[in-house]
Amino acid sequence: QVQLVQSGAEVKKPGASVKVSCKASGYTFTSYGISWVRQAPGQGLEWMGWISAYNGNTNYAQKLQGRVTMTTDTSTSTAYMELRSLRSDDTAVYYCARDYGGNSGPPDYFDYWGQGTLVTVSS
Amino acid sequence: DIQMTQSPSTLSASVGDRVTITCRASQSISSWLAWYQQKPGKAPKLLIYKASSLESGVPSRFSGSGSGTEFTLTISSLQPDDFATYYCQQYNSYWALTFGGGTKVEIK
Repeated sequence: QVQLVQSGAEVKKPGASVKVSCKASGYTFTSYGISWVRQAPGQGLEWMGWISAYNGNTNYAQKLQGRVTMTTDTSTSTAYMELRSLRSDDTAVYYCARDYGGNSGPPDYFDYWGQGTLVTVSS
Repeated sequence: DIQMTQSPSTLSASVGDRVTITCRASQSISSWLAWYQQKPGKAPKLLIYKASSLESGVPSRFSGSGSGTEFTLTISSLQPDDFATYYCQQYNSYWALTFGGGTKVEIK
């Protein structure tokens, strides 16, 4: 069965960076893209960007351009999301999600999700 | 970016009720809309894609309709497991996906 398993919770200081991992299993990793979606406490969902697990092509939400980098390691079927220059309003649960639209983009909807990783930014 | 507006933001209903949630897009998105259910502390779960296609394994009491700028999610007979928050998401706008603000379905 398809599973996306994310790394554990993180606590970071403002200005620091965080890197969250998402290990996929149960399907051919390179046949799909992965999107990252975050959810601030008590708030709605925000799409952060997409990466093709086939060729590494990326596209990021405009508001995060310059601060976010998404990568993949096909040898371990793992996707990564790094967010830099963290601020208090980056405190959120970060989800990876498999994109149904395949590996060439643009992203569609999300049929499988990771369990979420809480990132807390606090001094 | 395309703005997605859901209404109501909170809905109180009883088991067995028919429930309808509306999602409006700030411009036409054809039928490129998905619906998700999220329970506290859990990841969202896909219910509907392409406005009206039911995801495999989702109970048939869930249905979606609409096109262009106005969409609805209907639960024909609310069950105890359906109390949750529901989100719409558009995927018409290349590289700028957006979600609605959510609708919380509460027990009346």
